[in-house]
Amino acid sequence: DTAVSQTPKYLVTQMGNDKSIKCEQNLGHDTMYWYKQDSKKFLKIMFSYNNKELIINETVPNRFSPKSPDKAHLNLHINSLELGDSAVYFCASSQGLRRLGPNYGYTFGSGTRLTVV
Amino acid sequence: AQTVTQSQPEMSVQEAETVTLSCTYDTSESNYYLFWYKQPPSRQMILVIRQEAYKQQNATENRFSVNFQKAAKSFSLKISDSQLGDTAMYFCAFMKHAQGGSEKLVFGKGMKLTVNP
Repeated sequence: DTAVSQTPKYLVTQMGNDKSIKCEQNLGHDTMYWYKQDSKKFLKIMFSYNNKELIINETVPNRFSPKSPDKAHLNLHINSLELGDSAVYFCASSQGLRRLGPNYGYTFGSGTRLTVV
Repeated sequence: AQTVTQSQPEMSVQEAETVTLSCTYDTSESNYYLFWYKQPPSRQMILVIRQEAYKQQNATENRFSVNFQKAAKSFSLKISDSQLGDTAMYFCAFMKHAQGGSEKLVFGKGMKLTVNP
């Protein structure tokens, strides 16, 4: 019954490799996001998608390519991994502010810790 | 651009005591939302409480309450009767009113709270 699930939870890979992180939500939300949490715990948005359409692309290197095959899935593919890509990547979803209700907020996945060696 | 500042990087409190976490933000927006998120060692991001800027009444959720001072752009979190399970990183976050996937959370740098027995 996990609301937002990400796989894998841990990923260790060598520099130069290409890797993907998958995310799925079963909440029926229209919007999904990728956030990056760096080694100092700072969280920053990378992308948002609304009904499979890219909305926010926050000056992320084009080695990062999100893909949303449907509104329940948002995957993140990273090419030519660099040491600086090591971080925790969070997927999240929300129902959008137009449907703001008493429980409004993002629902986050449990994160994927990516370590590039 | 919006910024969120959490000036206290770390705090500790004894179990059952009350603690206040500070947060200030800077924005020229008039319609926005503020959140506190908790991140325990499990890494999960958990919504603690949220406040709509247009509401004058401070939000409360059980032992958690906020002191929202709109003119001062201050949004502090009070945790009453602290419990060991409150030990976590706490993030203050801002979201301007938006729709269609543009609902972006801007986070502060976080504050590590330790509740001691």
